[in-house]
Amino acid sequence: DGGITQSPKYLFRKEGQNVTLSCEQNLNHDAMYWYRQDPGQGLRLIYYSQIVNDFQKGDIAEGYSVSREKKESFPLTVTSAQKNPTAFYLCASRDRGENQPQHFGDGTRLSIL
Amino acid sequence: GEDVEQSLFLSVREGDSSVINCTYTDSSSTYLYWYKQEPGAGLQLLTYIFSNMDMKQDQRLTVLLNKKDKHLSLRIADTQTGDSAIYFCAESFTGTYKYIFGTGTRLKVLA
Repeated sequence: DGGITQSPKYLFRKEGQNVTLSCEQNLNHDAMYWYRQDPGQGLRLIYYSQIVNDFQKGDIAEGYSVSREKKESFPLTVTSAQKNPTAFYLCASRDRGENQPQHFGDGTRLSIL
Repeated sequence: GEDVEQSLFLSVREGDSSVINCTYTDSSSTYLYWYKQEPGAGLQLLTYIFSNMDMKQDQRLTVLLNKKDKHLSLRIADTQTGDSAIYFCAESFTGTYKYIFGTGTRLKVLA
């Protein structure tokens, strides 16, 4: 089945530690996105990538980094510079062509130890 | 500016219809979407409507779009307990890969 796989489902971070969230898709989609979701709030865009080896900052990129070395993979690193990382992180992808809907993974919940 | 607003909560009885509302500020959007999020899961695309349409029906779901008032609604007929979730509206724009999401409406269905 085609889809988007995020791992791990739960992740714990210690103070001063960088952690990486995985996002893999086998939908052959060009564009991929990372969102952060806090309780009672909508989705806020962290980074997005339209093609391999290219990505753009979203609205809340500070304290995060990404890479796009392969079309199917778009990992997100939450660095120690992100002082409030506890949230639910969602990865999405969409097909080429304007106004194609986004498809989402099942998310990773990140907590501070 | 870009802003999409939704009411936070909605409670209905099983078997009744639910209407979830969304208002947006940027009228240049091309498509508008409805997503459903169950606890601890990602967003599931329910339906979407092109901005030059007024209405779209898909089984129990009816989407109404009033471009003049910048108002989008999702009606769920014969609401079931399995419909309990958070519902997000979103809009996309020609020429950009960016999407704007609403704050989400938590629907609770009472048995």
